[in-house]
Amino acid sequence: QSALTQPASVSGSPGQSITISCTGTSSDVGSYNLVSWYQQHPGKAPKLMIYEVSKRPSGVSNRFSGSKSGNTASLTISGLQAEDEADYYCCSYAGSSTFHVVFGGGTKLTVL
Amino acid sequence: EVQLVESGGGLVKPGGSLRLSCAASGFTFSSYSMNWVRQAPGKGLEWVSSISSSSSYIYYADSVKGRFTISRDNAKNSLYLQMNSLRAEDTAVYYCARDSIAAAGTTGAFDIWGQGTMVTVSS
Repeated sequence: QSALTQPASVSGSPGQSITISCTGTSSDVGSYNLVSWYQQHPGKAPKLMIYEVSKRPSGVSNRFSGSKSGNTASLTISGLQAEDEADYYCCSYAGSSTFHVVFGGGTKLTVL
Repeated sequence: EVQLVESGGGLVKPGGSLRLSCAASGFTFSSYSMNWVRQAPGKGLEWVSSISSSSSYIYYADSVKGRFTISRDNAKNSLYLQMNSLRAEDTAVYYCARDSIAAAGTTGAFDIWGQGTMVTVSS
């Protein structure tokens, strides 16, 4: 069961924008518009930030946005704030006959 | 308040068994697919298993297939994970999570998570 590929770490200064990539294959990210993104602070449960590639759940700041091109999905955070410092995970549906759901390895975002 | 609360974690020897429970409240439990997701210490998230709203569709990750069994009791608003033949690599925090989109199957869009329960497999 192959995980999606994310950069191990990204960083940015307050007010800046950053983008986290998530590369899968034609069997998961490339085939379905069912990519989700999660934010996880240390010792806490993950929080859904984006679903269906670009939709935001109620209560999630519009500073968070998602997109997809081919086999790669992206999460962009604009106007970085100190509280955005966390681990971010992408997730994709991968079909009912194969792996079902796969996660990325996670990206540590540091706000400088 | 919409809430999921896991219980049942603990220390178990390799080859042993454990049953996790997840109590749901604040929403119509019987309308949603439910999932177990785990996270080994210092590692990333790994989807473990899902069960559809009526228990008609059940799926497992290859890493646990044949050893873990997911089930639910809609009358009790509860989700379960029976874990047998436990291995050291099963050591993790186990989260239950609600799928926000699917009632049958799973999409990975988990909008409600519990606080997690720790399972440690060690001799």
